[in-house]
Amino acid sequence: SQQGEEDPQALSIQEGENATMNCSYKTSINNLQWYRQNSGRGLVHLILIRSNEREKHSGRLRVTLDTSKKSSSLLITASRAADTASYFCATVGYSGGYNKLIFGAGTRLAVHP
Amino acid sequence: DGGITQSPKYLFRKEGQNVTLSCEQNLNHDAMYWYRQDPGQGLRLIYYSQIVNDFQKGDIAEGYSVSREKKESFPLTVTSAQKNPTAFYLCASSRSAGGGMNTEAFFGQGTRLTVV
Repeated sequence: SQQGEEDPQALSIQEGENATMNCSYKTSINNLQWYRQNSGRGLVHLILIRSNEREKHSGRLRVTLDTSKKSSSLLITASRAADTASYFCATVGYSGGYNKLIFGAGTRLAVHP
Repeated sequence: DGGITQSPKYLFRKEGQNVTLSCEQNLNHDAMYWYRQDPGQGLRLIYYSQIVNDFQKGDIAEGYSVSREKKESFPLTVTSAQKNPTAFYLCASSRSAGGGMNTEAFFGQGTRLTVV
């Protein structure tokens, strides 16, 4: 079963607005990562937050992590039409003697000019 | 040019046929992964490998097989036992699977497999 679940499934906003996506996960993690996928393409890594970190910034991206609630959020500020894509959270968890990278179902973001 | 390459981009399979999807990386990464993505869905883990000559089943391994004979290569075979193989397949690699910054994954551009 998938480790992370995103919310909302789809988000539609106007250019210049902020977009917030949430991710919940089930088990303990080493770190949590966010990725972006343009339609029909591979995923691109955006940002990684470690389990002992609470907040991280990268350009217009802000990620928070609450390990007590097993949740994370990705905020994209001042969105642009080029931000239109699907966004996925992924967790690295330890299971059966191995670490593996598990993805959630994703949030489809549409930014309208 | 360092990166991860999947081929072919499009693949058509007849019923009852086995097909092999190629994944090659020149990033010197230890860990490699195969994911399946259905339309509008997330990524589901098929198989993963943390080191050469070792691999583990993911959440949906039935009907698939892999090998990891070389560090740079992790081919995926979709066998006739996979009843619904039409999907987008993504290969990824990371420096390691051991946690921390080294788990950032780099993805190929995917192979779209269609059963005809």
